[in-house]
Amino acid sequence: SQQGEEDPQALSIQEGENATMNCSYKTSINNLQWYRQNSGRGLVHLILIRSNEREKHSGRLRVTLDTSKKSSSLLITASRAADTASYFCATGGDSSYKLIFGSGTRLLVRP
Amino acid sequence: GAVVSQHPSWVICKSGTSVKIECRSLDFQATTMFWYRQFPKQSLMLMATSNEGSKATYEQGVEKDKFLINHASLTLSTLTVTSAHPEDSSFYICSALGLAGEVWSNNEQFFGPGTRLTVL
Repeated sequence: SQQGEEDPQALSIQEGENATMNCSYKTSINNLQWYRQNSGRGLVHLILIRSNEREKHSGRLRVTLDTSKKSSSLLITASRAADTASYFCATGGDSSYKLIFGSGTRLLVRP
Repeated sequence: GAVVSQHPSWVICKSGTSVKIECRSLDFQATTMFWYRQFPKQSLMLMATSNEGSKATYEQGVEKDKFLINHASLTLSTLTVTSAHPEDSSFYICSALGLAGEVWSNNEQFFGPGTRLTVL
């Protein structure tokens, strides 16, 4: 079952601007991960944040996690045209290691 | 490291035929692999969990007799779509969890590049 909802569904920005995507989930989690998917391709793992962490950085990426609100955000700073892709959050909750994916945000970065 | 491959990358078949998709972990052993299906402009939906040496665990609503999964070795899982119909046309993606401590403890799945199935 799909438990994550992301907003916005689509986002169009100018190169150089920041992009923020939000993810909400329903049940308790062990960790939350963000993935990128270029059109028609597989997924690329971007970053993992554990339930006891509040913020994490990786290069131009910043992820926050608010377990009280069951939400996370992904910020891409100084966006580039190559960042154009779909971005998915995915939550992992139990020992089965299953991931439940959010609905995704389609990001378009205009040159 | 942690590369997962899928074969074929795309396949077109006639309605009623069966199609086998392979998922391989190339540089690590994977006791657990996952199969997902993704329709255009939608998210990934988990179909089943494939465990080496045991029966797969299917998600609710996924027909196990239609989507046969075999995880015969620590580096290979196969998904067979039996008697495929046009509504089975989709992008099928697998992922793998490794035995390596880092992969296991981080719950990081490594994804294959996907297989696009088109049923005519």
